[in-house]
Amino acid sequence: SQTIHQWPATLVQPVGSPLSLECTVEGTSNPNLYWYRQAAGRGLQLLFYSVGIGQISSEVPQNLSASRPQDRQFILSSKKLLLSDSGFYLCAWRSPIMAHFGPGTRLTVT
Amino acid sequence: AQSVTQLDSQVPVFEEAPVELRCNYSSSVSVYLFWYVQYPNQGLQLLLKYLSGSTLVESINGFEAEFNKSQTSFHLRKPSVHISDTAEYFCAVTQRQGGKLIFGQGTELSVKP
Repeated sequence: SQTIHQWPATLVQPVGSPLSLECTVEGTSNPNLYWYRQAAGRGLQLLFYSVGIGQISSEVPQNLSASRPQDRQFILSSKKLLLSDSGFYLCAWRSPIMAHFGPGTRLTVT
Repeated sequence: AQSVTQLDSQVPVFEEAPVELRCNYSSSVSVYLFWYVQYPNQGLQLLLKYLSGSTLVESINGFEAEFNKSQTSFHLRKPSVHISDTAEYFCAVTQRQGGKLIFGQGTELSVKP
C-alpha cells in the first residue's frame, strides 16, 4: 500500500533562517506531488505541484521554492523565512483522481 | 478556472442535531468533487467523493453529500452529529480530465454536548 511521510512534524525557526521540509511517498511510482499551506483561518492554499522529477509549477509568488530531486521525494525550501510563512504545511500525492495527504509539518516562525 | 466556496467558516451545533455544510463550485467543465476532514493537528482524510453515477454519496460514518449540477453544489449533511465529528471540513474540486485539486476555505464544525 501507498504511504506518505513528512518531516519534521513540528518546527520553530527564527525570521531570516532557512527552511527545508521533506516529503516522501512509498508504494507508487511517478506520482503527482503537491505542497499545500494551511494558515489559521485561511483554508488550504496550493503552493507547488510536480508531475515528474525536476518539474515544478508554482501557484503563488513567494519566498518559498520546491524541488523534486527523486521520483518520490518532494522538498519545500526557503532561503530566508518570514513571519507570514508560519502555518501547517501538507504534502499530498494524486492517485490519479484523489489526493492523499501526509501528516503535515507545523511551522512557527518567530 | 475552477473555484470552490464554502459558505460557512464555522458551524456550531449540539450533539445529535442535524448539520449541513455548504459547498458551491465553479467550473466550465465536468468535475470530480470531494469532501475531506481534518482532525486537530492532523493531515486531511478523504471523507467521500463524487465521481459519476448516483448523485448522492455516503461515507462510512453517516455523512452524505449530494451533487447538484444545476446549482453547482455539493453540500455535506449528517442527520445526527457526535462530539467526535468536531473537525474542519474541506470541499474540493478537480477537472475530470486532470489538473489541480482546488480546496475551499474550510468549515469548522464544532459539536457541543
